[in-house]
Amino acid sequence: NAGVTQTPKFQVLKTGQSMTLQCAQDMNHEYMSWYRQDPGMGLRLIHYSVGAGITDQGEVPNGYNVSRSTTEDFPLRLLSAAPSQTSVYFCASMPAAGYSPLHFGNGTRLTVT
Amino acid sequence: AQSVTQLDSHVSVSEGTPVLLRCNYSSSYSPSLFWYVQHPNKGLQLLLKYTSAATLVKGINGFEAEFKKSETSFHLMKPSAHMSDAAEYFCVVYSGAGSYQLTFGKGTKLSVIP
Repeated sequence: NAGVTQTPKFQVLKTGQSMTLQCAQDMNHEYMSWYRQDPGMGLRLIHYSVGAGITDQGEVPNGYNVSRSTTEDFPLRLLSAAPSQTSVYFCASMPAAGYSPLHFGNGTRLTVT
Repeated sequence: AQSVTQLDSHVSVSEGTPVLLRCNYSSSYSPSLFWYVQHPNKGLQLLLKYTSAATLVKGINGFEAEFKKSETSFHLMKPSAHMSDAAEYFCVVYSGAGSYQLTFGKGTKLSVIP
């Protein structure tokens, strides 16, 4: 059972470049989300989805775009990278009921120079 | 509305001594509460969860947490620290009420001294 798979593990971008962080889960979870983790800030929610075709903004959505065309995949797009987006990004999923725990991927470490 | 406060950003204990990581929460509804652990350069792993059953919740690796509604607290404990417990710990609250959003504390880094 793969769980939540994130690619790539590491990425370096120049300011202004675009890229997509990939996230896939094989547990048929309805809920998927993206967080960023910065020192001393905990995890902050960027965007989330409660099913295919449904997405919504979290706490820090600016500069990021998402879509959910299938239950399994939830990519995160950076349209024009900025140094402030240097962070570790985690994808997480859970079944429809919010009382279930989140399942996390292993993270993507992104550096924007 | 919901929020969570981890009262210590860093806790240091000696190997073999008790661990106490403190978490206070606020919630408009009966919450679910979780503790996650993150080892260096890894993702987050669930330690334990409280969902309105027994107030003393047992988790993995000898950890347990006690839900105290009167004090709005959910502190994480372990009787005897092991070197492998050195990690960052996150307290998380979920209030339900039709929302899927969880709120994370800012984390407590646990150091274990040999």
